[in-house]
Amino acid sequence: KQEVTQIPAALSVPEGENLVLNCSFTDSAIYNLQWFRQDPGKGLTSLLLIQSSQREQTSGRLNASLDKSSGRSTLYIAASQPGDSATYLCAVQTGANNLFFGTGTRLTVIP
Amino acid sequence: DAGITQSPRYKITETGRQVTLMCHQTWSHSYMFWYRQDLGHGLRLIYYSAAADITDKGEVPDGYVVSRSKTENFPLTLESATRSQTSVYFCASRGTSGGIHGKTDTQYFGPGTRLTVL
Repeated sequence: KQEVTQIPAALSVPEGENLVLNCSFTDSAIYNLQWFRQDPGKGLTSLLLIQSSQREQTSGRLNASLDKSSGRSTLYIAASQPGDSATYLCAVQTGANNLFFGTGTRLTVIP
Repeated sequence: DAGITQSPRYKITETGRQVTLMCHQTWSHSYMFWYRQDLGHGLRLIYYSAAADITDKGEVPDGYVVSRSKTENFPLTLESATRSQTSVYFCASRGTSGGIHGKTDTQYFGPGTRLTVL
């Protein structure tokens, strides 16, 4: 069974810092990897989706990389803002309908 | 554009009662999913549906029943609620554009239903 791990579980940074969130997975046979954002009491919002054949995806201040062979992905957030405070979830899709989630990294950006 | 909605948003029930959580999407996505989110476990797949009248079990299906008579609706029923089913339930949908049979598309999530079983 696919296991997805996210480190650290929580992270606090001052506003303006660049930061990296980590995600690792045990089975490299994946269709894609997705990063989501979850605000307290809310649903999940998709941030980036990296297909298994891709190495990275960018959206604004966010950049996600994928190293399938080593089972790792990183989410880079540039020039962090207080509005970036949320829980960030990594998920890998291993079959037509199997999306395995990590337990998330709770990010706090301090003004 | 309503997207994907869930109702109720909050529900308190008692052990042994039947509860139905509703999910509705306006995109005509083929795939729909039910997840539960618990501390320490992340999100886990309960059931999914590839199209109307096609459903299948996920990782944690016991105690749940689903149906999908229409593409836009995917209700989840707890036939006899137990305390261990206290959780936050998320519905999601995914289209079929792009990739092989839409396997590589993004999933879109509803706002969730917080269910408490006393």
